[in-house]
Amino acid sequence: EIVLTQSPDFQSVTPKEKVTITCRASQSIGSSLHWYQQKPDQSPKLLIKYASQSFSGVPSRFIGSGSGTDFTLTINSLEPEDAATYYCHQSSSLPYTFGQGTKLEIK
Amino acid sequence: EVQLVQSGAEVKKPGESLKISCKGSGYNFTSYWIGWVRQMPGKGLEWMGIIHPADSDTKKSPSFQGQVTFSVDKSISTAYLQWSSLRASDTAMYYCARLAQRYYYMDVWGKGTTVTVSS
Repeated sequence: EIVLTQSPDFQSVTPKEKVTITCRASQSIGSSLHWYQQKPDQSPKLLIKYASQSFSGVPSRFIGSGSGTDFTLTINSLEPEDAATYYCHQSSSLPYTFGQGTKLEIK
Repeated sequence: EVQLVQSGAEVKKPGESLKISCKGSGYNFTSYWIGWVRQMPGKGLEWMGIIHPADSDTKKSPSFQGQVTFSVDKSISTAYLQWSSLRASDTAMYYCARLAQRYYYMDVWGKGTTVTVSS
């Protein structure tokens, strides 16, 4: 099973700041890495598919990058509504898995 | 509009059985895998497994093998997650999601079904 390790687990940030969340896979997964945003009491929403492709309707400030084992989600100019937990997810090898999540708090 | 509508919250006792549902609409239900994801209270997302509605082909995480059953009823575009004997540790939110045809990311999610198991 491929293990995804996100860092940090928690980050407190101010609006307009730039945020970087990383996801490291225990083995190479090519570009089969996706990012989701989950706000409190909501279901997860897809932000980035296949490492760097923005999903329909997602603001352009969310940018994904990386391949192989190291991936990054960057949020440029953070907005208050970006307060959420972010998860990476790999679909390279069954069983598919999620990272443990990164919680973003907006100061 | 493509959507997945999940059944309502359940409160059960340990040892009871349960079947929750996930109804797809707005797309060809038999063309996309459906996945199940568990989220225990205050915890992260856990990938449980997937089922293909066309032929009921199923892939499960080892953590959930023998613990739950996936099924579908193509005639009503509905997928099911079932337990034969619930435990308190099954208390969680359960999401269904549609997998994209390429790369198998989860592009459409249901709102989730809360399952509470308590004596």
